[in-house]
Amino acid sequence: DGGITQSPKYLFRKEGQNVTLSCEQNLNHDAMYWYRQDPGQGLRLIYYSQIVNDFQKGDIAEGYSVSREKKESFPLTVTSAQKNPTAFYLCASSSGFNEKLFFGSGTQLSVL
Amino acid sequence: QKEVEQNSGPLSVPEGAIASLNCTYSDRGSQSFFWYRQYSGKSPELIMSIYSNGDKEDGRFTAQLNKASQYVSLLIRDSQPSDSATYLCAARPGGYNKLIFGAGTRLAVHP
Repeated sequence: DGGITQSPKYLFRKEGQNVTLSCEQNLNHDAMYWYRQDPGQGLRLIYYSQIVNDFQKGDIAEGYSVSREKKESFPLTVTSAQKNPTAFYLCASSSGFNEKLFFGSGTQLSVL
Repeated sequence: QKEVEQNSGPLSVPEGAIASLNCTYSDRGSQSFFWYRQYSGKSPELIMSIYSNGDKEDGRFTAQLNKASQYVSLLIRDSQPSDSATYLCAARPGGYNKLIFGAGTRLAVHP
């Protein structure tokens, strides 16, 4: 079945630690996105990538980094510079510029 | 700052009634609009997309778009308890390859 796989489902970060969230898609989509969702709030865009080896900052990129070395993969690293990382992280993809987003199942990140 | 505004709710409707969810957007150049349903702790799933003024129907769902008023709505007919969720409105501003999401409206359908 085609879809987007995020892992892990739950992740705990210690202070000063970098952690990486995985996102893999087999939909052959060109565009991939990372969103952050805080309780009672909408989705805020962290980073997005329209093609391999290219990505752009979203609205809240500070403290995060990404890479897009393969079409299928778009990992997100939450660095120690992100002082409030506790949130639900959603990866999404779309086939093109004006197309709908398909979401992964999400990763809940918490701070120990 | 491009924005999408929704009433946070909760919107409470009895089973079998019509639920009406509303959304306004700030960027007049927006061309694409989407409604997503999100159950607690789960990821959003697409309910409807709409690109042109007027109504678009899909089963029990109807999306309505009025670009002059910068207004999008979602009607759910014959509401069921399983429709209880948060509904997110999203718009794609003109020239942007990203969606702007509203904070969502929580819908509660009671038996």
